[in-house]
Amino acid sequence: NAGVTQTPKFRVLKTGQSMTLLCAQDMNHEYMYWYRQDPGMGLRLIHYSVGEGTTAKGEVPDGYNVSRLKKQNFLLGLESAAPSQTSVYFCASSRFRGSGEQYFGPGTRLTVT
Amino acid sequence: AQTVTQSQPEMSVQEAETVTLSCTYDTSESDYYLFWYKQPPSRQMILVIRQEAYKQQNATENRFSVNFQKAAKSFSLKISDSQLGDAAMYFCAYRSAISLGAQKLVFGQGTRLTINP
Repeated sequence: NAGVTQTPKFRVLKTGQSMTLLCAQDMNHEYMYWYRQDPGMGLRLIHYSVGEGTTAKGEVPDGYNVSRLKKQNFLLGLESAAPSQTSVYFCASSRFRGSGEQYFGPGTRLTVT
Repeated sequence: AQTVTQSQPEMSVQEAETVTLSCTYDTSESDYYLFWYKQPPSRQMILVIRQEAYKQQNATENRFSVNFQKAAKSFSLKISDSQLGDAAMYFCAYRSAISLGAQKLVFGQGTRLTINP
C-alpha cells in the first residue's frame, strides 16, 4: 500500500515549456486535490476532483489544467510555464465519507526559469 | 469564505518542555472540522490531530492535544515533552462539514517549530 505517490519529485522548466505532474493513489479514494505551497502562504488549492471524470477549480486555478480519467490518477498540467509557478506541488486524496482527512503525496518541487 | 490564521511564524522550545502553537479561524458555519498537520524537512504532510466542531471534548493524541474554543474560534496545539523529532512546520487547517462537493481544506500560513537540545 503506497498511499499517494507523485511523479516527478523535482523538475526544472524554462518559461513557456509545458509539463504534466502525475498523482496516483491506491486507497480507492473518491476525492483528489492539487495544492501549491509557497513560503509564508501555506497550501493553496489549485484544482480538485470529486470523482472519475469530474474536476473543479480551487483557489488558484489560473495557468493550470487537470484531468481525472481514472479514479486512482489525477494529472496536473502546465501548458506554458511561468516563473510565478515556481513552487512545491502537493497532491492529496480523501474518502467520500468521514472527517475528510486528506492523505498527501511527497510533493514535487518545480522551478521555472 | 473561511480563513485560517497562524500568528506565530516561528516558535522554539527546549527539549522535554511544553509548547503551544496558536491558530484562529473565521467562519459563519457551525459544523466543521479542524486539523493540525506536521511537515518535517522531508516535506511529507502528516496529520497530527483532528477535532470535530460538534464535540466539546478536546482531542488528544499521545503528547499532542488541542485547546478548542469554539466561541472564540481558536484552535491551539499543545506539544508536551517536546522531542527533537517534533521539529517541523505545523499547519492548522479548516474543513467545512456542510459544503457541497469536495472536502476542501483551508490552511493557515504555518508555524516553524524548532526544538533546542
